[in-house]
Amino acid sequence: QQPVQSPQAVILREGEDAVINCSSSKALYSVHWYRQKHGEAPVFLMILLKGGEQKGHDKISASFNEKKQQSSLYLTASQLSYSGTYFCGTDGLSSNTGKLIFGQGTTLQVKP
Amino acid sequence: GAGVSQSPRYKVTKRGQDVALRCDPISGHVSLYWYRQALGQGPEFLTYFNYEAQQDKSGLPNDRFSAERPEGSISTLTIQRTEQRDSAMYRCASSTPSGTNTYEQYFGPGTRLTVT
Repeated sequence: QQPVQSPQAVILREGEDAVINCSSSKALYSVHWYRQKHGEAPVFLMILLKGGEQKGHDKISASFNEKKQQSSLYLTASQLSYSGTYFCGTDGLSSNTGKLIFGQGTTLQVKP
Repeated sequence: GAGVSQSPRYKVTKRGQDVALRCDPISGHVSLYWYRQALGQGPEFLTYFNYEAQQDKSGLPNDRFSAERPEGSISTLTIQRTEQRDSAMYRCASSTPSGTNTYEQYFGPGTRLTVT
């Protein structure tokens, strides 16, 4: 079943923060996050495995709460380059298979 | 190194014709995935392979769709007797360098299929 992302769209000014949420109705083993710019292919951001760990690089981080079947992506001090559509993809029940079911996406627009 | 490549990048075909879409994954990647992406939507899983073995084809819409990866590298997605509703962007992704246990997927540029 497709995970649900919220919000559907966000408009920010440079330097502002944003949080994108991803919820699933079924138990998950991992959550993947991708960003897609208009007319381009999705690009991998990070993967979170069961265990509630938080990962991040640069000013983008994410958390995964497997009990709540939710993941959140945190964008801190947003830059113009963060604009795009963010997708979460959920995988597996007890292990990674690579078969991802993607959410409908959250469109982020960062303005100067 | 070279990323995932797909060909053709654009394909216009008449309803009822067969089409074959090709995906060349990153060298050494064990897993290969096919997705379909409608405008403004997330990628929709179709099927995936580990090496040459098709692991899951539950996302293929009907029996007009088939995929193969005979030598564990290049893959072909074939759509027979195309219909207008098949028009979409078809994306391929690969992951998992041999000997690793990583699942980050690298997507190709896609094939834009238009059925007239």
